[in-house]
Amino acid sequence: GDSVTQMEGPVTLSEEAFLTINCTYTATGYPSLFWYVQYPGEGLQLLLKATKADDKGSNKGFEATYRKETTSFHLEKGSVQVSDSAVYFCALLSYGQNFVFGPGTRLSVLP
Amino acid sequence: DVKVTQSSRYLVKRTGEKVFLECVQDMDHENMFWYRQDPGLGLRLIYFSYDVKMKEKGDIPEGYSVSREKKERFSLILESASTNQTSMYLCASSLLSTYEQYFGPGTRLTVT
Repeated sequence: GDSVTQMEGPVTLSEEAFLTINCTYTATGYPSLFWYVQYPGEGLQLLLKATKADDKGSNKGFEATYRKETTSFHLEKGSVQVSDSAVYFCALLSYGQNFVFGPGTRLSVLP
Repeated sequence: DVKVTQSSRYLVKRTGEKVFLECVQDMDHENMFWYRQDPGLGLRLIYFSYDVKMKEKGDIPEGYSVSREKKERFSLILESASTNQTSMYLCASSLLSTYEQYFGPGTRLTVT
């Protein structure tokens, strides 16, 4: 079945550092890909998405590009802030199926 | 502003008790979902519903049941709580057409 693999956390960075969180997937067909973020004490919020190969999703300074050839959807941000500290989930949605979420990567940004 | 609310943020129950977790959305969404979130496992789908009185099993339905009597409300029921059901439970809803899911804040359930 479909699956999502994320880099193990926690990831600890200093403010203004560059962020990459790796995400790879296995799916039959051509899924849509998503990044969700969970801030402390809250539910998940959609951060960005991409629905087809080579699409780039972006929001709040975060970006991710749908790479079909490497089955990847890595999350990047050029300069993280303390307020970006959260758990980040990569997810996929195949047609006619339900969401499949990765295990989540906890990010801590230190001032 | 879209809103999914869950009845409790924290809940402590004893083994064998019947537990009800309530979820309400105010967005007129057709779809509603119940997940559990465990460290290292991400979110796993328990049950979902595409319409009132409709329900479908997700990946881990054992030990759970659901009820959807009204479009805005989706309840998760643990018939006889067990310690391995200690977890964070997340409710979500979405439109049938977009599939973007909106999540509630979660209920952290501890079964002792």
